[in-house]
Amino acid sequence: DSGVTQTPKHLITATGQRVTLRCSPRSGDLSVYWYQQSLDQGLQFLIQYYNGEERAKGNILERFSAQQFPDLHSELNLSSLELGDSALYFCASSPMTGLGEKLFFGSGTQLSVL
Amino acid sequence: GENVEQHPSTLSVQEGDSAVIKCTYSDSASNYFPWYKQELGKGPQLIIDIRSNVGEKKDQRIAVTLNKTAKHFSLHITETQPEDSAVYFCAAIPTGGGNKLTFGTGTQLKVEL
Repeated sequence: DSGVTQTPKHLITATGQRVTLRCSPRSGDLSVYWYQQSLDQGLQFLIQYYNGEERAKGNILERFSAQQFPDLHSELNLSSLELGDSALYFCASSPMTGLGEKLFFGSGTQLSVL
Repeated sequence: GENVEQHPSTLSVQEGDSAVIKCTYSDSASNYFPWYKQELGKGPQLIIDIRSNVGEKKDQRIAVTLNKTAKHFSLHITETQPEDSAVYFCAAIPTGGGNKLTFGTGTQLKVEL
């Protein structure tokens, strides 16, 4: 168990809908990262938050947004969902934001857009 | 940006044999190279990493080598066991990239009895 909790584990929804994925980092970790894993794109970095502030951005669509709350949990919001958004979404955490810090991944949320 | 290529995509070995997975990266400024193992239904887990000022690192049956000139790095698993069966990902972070990992496409390793 990595100590990173993601909910829900599975999510099935329809095109055009909006969903929220939740992540609780390991106790004491200040950084939260979101990754998308799909068969054709592999593991893609979406966004990082550090102590409530956006720290780095990857290939995150404008339809997607995230935030980190004062208690350090994070939410990834996906709107106007398309079939291609179906993927496994991982959250990871690390103590700080330094280069080479070990990332601890949660077990992911499997999103299916029908 | 950084681009990481990984080979092979699938690898099948007999228990006790060695397994080697290779990755190449494009950004010569990259200086941190971790390897992650992903078991079915779980998130990736860091198994070993290497920084650009080191050519080789070993941890029990697992070793990683880095050739900065050729821009490639490899994972070596010796005396493979069935529990080594998983998907392995290499990754790289360029200088100034914070902690944004660029992952390879993964290698499905199967250790057969």
